[in-house]
Amino acid sequence: DTAVSQTPKYLVTQMGNDKSIKCEQNLGHDTMYWYKQDSKKFLKIMFSYNNKELIINETVPNRFSPKSPDKAHLNLHINSLELGDSAVYFCASGTSGAYQETQYFGPGTRLLVL
Amino acid sequence: ILNVEQSPQSLHVQEGDSTNFTCSFPSSNFYALHWYRWETAKSPEALFVMTLNGDEKKKGRISATLNTKEGYSYLYIKGSQPEDSATYLCAFWALSSNYQLIWGAGTKLIIKP
Repeated sequence: DTAVSQTPKYLVTQMGNDKSIKCEQNLGHDTMYWYKQDSKKFLKIMFSYNNKELIINETVPNRFSPKSPDKAHLNLHINSLELGDSAVYFCASGTSGAYQETQYFGPGTRLLVL
Repeated sequence: ILNVEQSPQSLHVQEGDSTNFTCSFPSSNFYALHWYRWETAKSPEALFVMTLNGDEKKKGRISATLNTKEGYSYLYIKGSQPEDSATYLCAFWALSSNYQLIWGAGTKLIIKP
């Protein structure tokens, strides 16, 4: 069983389009995250979501919005895609959102904006 | 700006040799230091979380140490095997990091048979 799954794995789309990436975790975790792997391979936190509390990285454009229909899902919606949005996006979940938690990552979604 | 630096960026090691690499982080307001292992085409997987100065953790041939006063952690691999080839990421959590993990770019380890 896949603990954290993301769909799609690959996404190729045109500039200006709106797209969503889905994430589901079956670990019963309370906290979920979205990361962007930038061009220098750093993992940059975009959002964390814990018990309906959303913490947003202030550097994330408001074209990006997380949507959580329930505790097991945190989807990422992107409006008006730009070339610079091309990256690998990782979803993760953790037990508590606290400093000692282990995070479990999904396989990543490779987004290419043309 | 909070930065985590890892060195070297990449490392080629002969099978059977031991190796180590470094993670440097801001030492103020420190809460925890995490090590993750990231194999190509897979997702990052947790190795260790360390919180106390002087902490040492071990998992098989891999071990890690922590110095919170000077802001560094070492990861050691003893008797490297081909399956150790991966990128090793460290991440730290501090009060000043807004309760988020701040990640390094990783050390890419390649084991030569």
